[in-house]
Amino acid sequence: GEDVEQSLFLSVREGDSSVINCTYTDSSSTYLYWYKQEPGAGLQLLTYIFSNMDMKQDQRLTVLLNKKDKHLSLRIADTQTGDSAIYFCAERTGNMLTFGGGTRLMVKP
Amino acid sequence: EAGVVQSPRYKIIEKKQPVAFWCNPISGHNTLYWYRQNLGQGPELLIRYENEEAVDDSQLPKDRFSAERLKGVDSTLKIQPAELGDSAVYLCASSPAVRLAFFGQGTRLTVV
Repeated sequence: GEDVEQSLFLSVREGDSSVINCTYTDSSSTYLYWYKQEPGAGLQLLTYIFSNMDMKQDQRLTVLLNKKDKHLSLRIADTQTGDSAIYFCAERTGNMLTFGGGTRLMVKP
Repeated sequence: EAGVVQSPRYKIIEKKQPVAFWCNPISGHNTLYWYRQNLGQGPELLIRYENEEAVDDSQLPKDRFSAERLKGVDSTLKIQPAELGDSAVYLCASSPAVRLAFFGQGTRLTVV
C-alpha cells in the first residue's frame, strides 16, 4: 500500500524555527496536508498544499513540496510552547487520505 | 458552524462486550471517514463513505466491526465483541469535496 513516513521526534527552543519532514510514495497524490494533534484531542487541519505547487506560506507556517523526491516539509517560524503537539502529514489520492505516524514536537522554554 | 461531532468521548468496556460510536459530520459533507488511531501512531482508515455507500472498507475487520451511514448523514461504528486489542481512539472525519477533511474529537475506547 501507499506509505507516508515521518521522523518520530523533534525538540527545539522557543523562538527558533522548527522543520518537520515527511516523505510519501504515491506519485498520484493530489493534495498534501499537515494536521496538529494536542493531547486528548482530535486532528486539527493546519494547512495543505496542492501537488502542483512547491511552496505555500500561511503566517508562521511554510509548506515546501518537492514532488520529484516526494518530500514535504512544514516550517514553523518563531516556535512557541503552544506549538508543542504531534504533527501528522497526510497525502490524498482521490478521496483516500493516508497519514504518517506523526512527529512529536517539543518546544523548550 | 458546528464541526464533526462524535460521541461518546470516552468508553471503557469489558472484553467480549459490544460497543458503538456515533458521528455527526459537518452538514453538507458527502464523504465520511472512520479512522482508528493506536497509541503513538497515525490514524489508519477503517471505512470511507460517499453519501450512504461504503466505498472503501478493505481495512475494516468485518468479523467484529460493522458500520452504517443511514440517509448519508450520521454514522455509527460498532464492535461486537470487543477485544483487548481494539483499545484505541476512533476518529470520524468528513469532507465536502476533494480538498479538505475535518476531524472530530474522537472516541477513546479502553477494553479491559
